[in-house]
Amino acid sequence: AQSVTQLDSHVSVSEGTPVLLRCNYSSSYSPSLFWYVQHPNKGLQLLLKYTSAATLVKGINGFEAEFKKSETSFHLTKPSAHMSDAAEYFCVVSYNTDKLIFGTGTRLQVFP
Amino acid sequence: DTAVSQTPKYLVTQMGNDKSIKCEQNLGHDTMYWYKQDSKKFLKIMFSYNNKELIINETVPNRFSPKSPDKAHLNLHINSLELGDSAVYFCASSHRTNTGELFFGEGSRLTVL
Repeated sequence: AQSVTQLDSHVSVSEGTPVLLRCNYSSSYSPSLFWYVQHPNKGLQLLLKYTSAATLVKGINGFEAEFKKSETSFHLTKPSAHMSDAAEYFCVVSYNTDKLIFGTGTRLQVFP
Repeated sequence: DTAVSQTPKYLVTQMGNDKSIKCEQNLGHDTMYWYKQDSKKFLKIMFSYNNKELIINETVPNRFSPKSPDKAHLNLHINSLELGDSAVYFCASSHRTNTGELFFGEGSRLTVL
């Protein structure tokens, strides 16, 4: 079955330190992969996407993610966390259909 | 200007009632969606319309009926509400199908008592 797994339900970092949010996907076909962010009481916003071009994808707000086929991973990183990064982050996979399969989310807390 | 707008933002109602949630997008997109987010933040697609035509209809009870009067609007009507229908319902749109690039509304929180 096609699926995506977010390995951490909560991640806490201090402001100014690096962020790593982990995501693994099932490898039946070549997927398209996305990261979405949801701030409290808001809709989801696309951060970045991978669709079989460059494996290192840069997104908005300084986030980037690397597609690693050998590890079936698509981890999200940011060199330096900001207070405004505190939100819920969703890793999402699509296998050339209109159905997006969402991970269970990782809540990022940023402490001053 | 709000790109994808949903109304109402909050809805509290009794079991057995019928309610509707409206969605409008001003992005000129062809495809619109309804997603349900449960209390654990899990998101699942319910319906997808492309140019007013239903293209995805996930396994949802037939108490849920989407209606797309034109490609800028996708409404969700729910009959005979049950406690388990309590959730946040998100409308979204995309330029075309299969891009994965969705623009979401801010959600409609439905509470069934």
